Amino acid sequence: AQSVTQLGSHVSVSEGALVLLRCNYSSSVPPYLFWYVQYPNQGLQLLLKYTSAATLVKGINGFEAEFKKSETSFHLTKPSAHMSDAAEYFCAVTPKTGANNLFFGTGTRLTVIP
Amino acid sequence: EAGVTQSPTHLIKTRGQQATLRCSPISGHTSVYWYQQALGLGLQFLLWYDEGEERNRGNFPPRFSGRQFPNYSSELNVNALELEDSALYLCASSSAVRIQEETQYFGPGTRLLVL
Repeated sequence: AQSVTQLGSHVSVSEGALVLLRCNYSSSVPPYLFWYVQYPNQGLQLLLKYTSAATLVKGINGFEAEFKKSETSFHLTKPSAHMSDAAEYFCAVTPKTGANNLFFGTGTRLTVIP
Repeated sequence: EAGVTQSPTHLIKTRGQQATLRCSPISGHTSVYWYQQALGLGLQFLLWYDEGEERNRGNFPPRFSGRQFPNYSSELNVNALELEDSALYLCASSSAVRIQEETQYFGPGTRLLVL
């Protein structure tokens, strides 16, 4: 069964500091992986996705994530946090075969301190 | 290009009533997905419709049901509402059957409150 774990339900960083949000997946076959962002009272917006091409994936708003099969990880990073990055971030997976639905992590709320 | 739209934005019902939530996908998208975002439970997959047929269903009781219309819009119906059905219901659409070929785009959600 597919599952994804996000370490840290809350992460606080100072404006301009590195953002690191952790995501580990659990499946015997590497799945497709996604990061979504949810701003208050809004739906989800795709930040980036990994679909078996390059292991380092660049997304919108300066975010990127690296797929590491040996660590079953897909951590999200941004070199310099901006106040507008404050939101909830969700890591999600879907298997390469079978159902199309996304399996989400529990989310990480990012706070950016001025 | 218009994104995924959902209506209503908010819905208040009492226990035992029925709720109907609506979703219009992005033009050209044939797949519609429904997710529940309940407090403390995270985002959970409910239903997937493609080309008018139910393709997959999450671990929810049968009182959660839906349908997809010929224009690819979709309805989610929740019968015999329970307090724990209070949640944000998100709809997403995509244009291809295989997700790696197309991303799921999400609507703003319908917030359902069951009193």
